[in-house]
Amino acid sequence: SQQGEEDPQALSIQEGENATMNCSYKTSINNLQWYRQNSGRGLVHLILIRSNEREKHSGRLRVTLDTSKKSSSLLITASRAADTASYFCATDGQGAQKLVFGQGTRLTINP
Amino acid sequence: ETGVTQTPRHLVMGMTNKKSLKCEQHLGHNAMYWYKQSAKKPLELMFVYSLEERVENNSVPSRFSPECPNSSHLFLHLHTLQPEDSALYLCASSQERGLQFEQFFGPGTRLTVL
Repeated sequence: SQQGEEDPQALSIQEGENATMNCSYKTSINNLQWYRQNSGRGLVHLILIRSNEREKHSGRLRVTLDTSKKSSSLLITASRAADTASYFCATDGQGAQKLVFGQGTRLTINP
Repeated sequence: ETGVTQTPRHLVMGMTNKKSLKCEQHLGHNAMYWYKQSAKKPLELMFVYSLEERVENNSVPSRFSPECPNSSHLFLHLHTLQPEDSALYLCASSQERGLQFEQFFGPGTRLTVL
């Protein structure tokens, strides 16, 4: 089944550095969403990028989408300790009637 | 605060117990969802309600029974659960049922089945 797969599974960086996470998926999509989850909490929507968009920004977040490679990346610039969380991509996919989430990237920002 | 609340936040129950999870959204949304999040597994969609009508049931065992009395409230009734049902149960809502809408999640109920 189609599924977003995040890479890496875990990432640990120093505060102030940039963090990049990648998501690959298997079938064509209409849009792709990124969510953040703090430990044991609910998910928070970060950004949605449509299949006809290549790049989108929101504050310190930058998302790119390459439909030819079926991949997306999430860049967090100037990371902060509060960015420590798990990050998930979610895709729809033509014909699917639900968002399909990947297993996430666990990001740790070290002070 | 996302505008979606869930109670209880933690629940421990035996396999013979009956309990209910409650979700309430204060966003005026028309669609509500139940997800299950187990350790080391992707988030799994369980049920979808649109305008109080169940529109999707993803092969969830009958020991999980959803109820949506109105567009603001969603329940998940639990009975004779198994230890493997222990997980974080997340409720979400969106403006409409459509994959172009962002979903707003509650904080979840951490369920432990003994």
